[in-house]
Amino acid sequence: KAGVTQTPRYLIKTRGQQVTLSCSPISGHRSVSWYQQTPGQGLQFLFEYFSETQRNKGNFPGRFSGRQFSNSRSEMNVSTLELGDSALYLCASGGDTQYFGPGTRLTVL
Amino acid sequence: DAKTTQPTSMDCAEGRAANLPCNHSTISGNEYVYWYRQIHSQGPQYIIHGLKNNETNEMASLIITEDRKSSTLILPHATLRDTAVYYCIVQMKTSYDKVIFGPGTSLSVIP
Repeated sequence: KAGVTQTPRYLIKTRGQQVTLSCSPISGHRSVSWYQQTPGQGLQFLFEYFSETQRNKGNFPGRFSGRQFSNSRSEMNVSTLELGDSALYLCASGGDTQYFGPGTRLTVL
Repeated sequence: DAKTTQPTSMDCAEGRAANLPCNHSTISGNEYVYWYRQIHSQGPQYIIHGLKNNETNEMASLIITEDRKSSTLILPHATLRDTAVYYCIVQMKTSYDKVIFGPGTSLSVIP
């Protein structure tokens, strides 16, 4: 069974721009969660989608948003990028157990 | 703050068992202990989880104390590819918003 895939793997943006990251979950998984990982804050939960509905949300500003499509694929959007948004963005799918993708490395200049 | 505490770093000789401890003294009755590991710049990899019984799979064994306040992840025969940061977390199943990843234990397997 194929694992969680994320695109793109690397991204460079400038302050003020917006970005969209994509995640394809493991086939059959309906839950998709997003995390931000930085050296200073570690791995932090952003939000979770289940059957196209946001089920849980972490403590991030409204600039961070997401959605899930009927095929369970999910996208995450960050608007008005700030330098501090530079991070590894991880997507995970699963039920009782989460399986993580390889991440998207976002650099904001 | 994370609900778990782990040593910052550990070394283990290649071929020997690596025993990684985790304290979770405030764990509640319906929370599971999960272990993940992360090799540099990759996504975390699920290893094993358990509620109160010891668990074993092809990767590792998980020993949970009877009072559930601590656990130990055992890699029976560590290899160089086991060098990674190991995270111990506690969570109720599917309650991902409550999951807090601490800094984990950086395990170095020494040749």
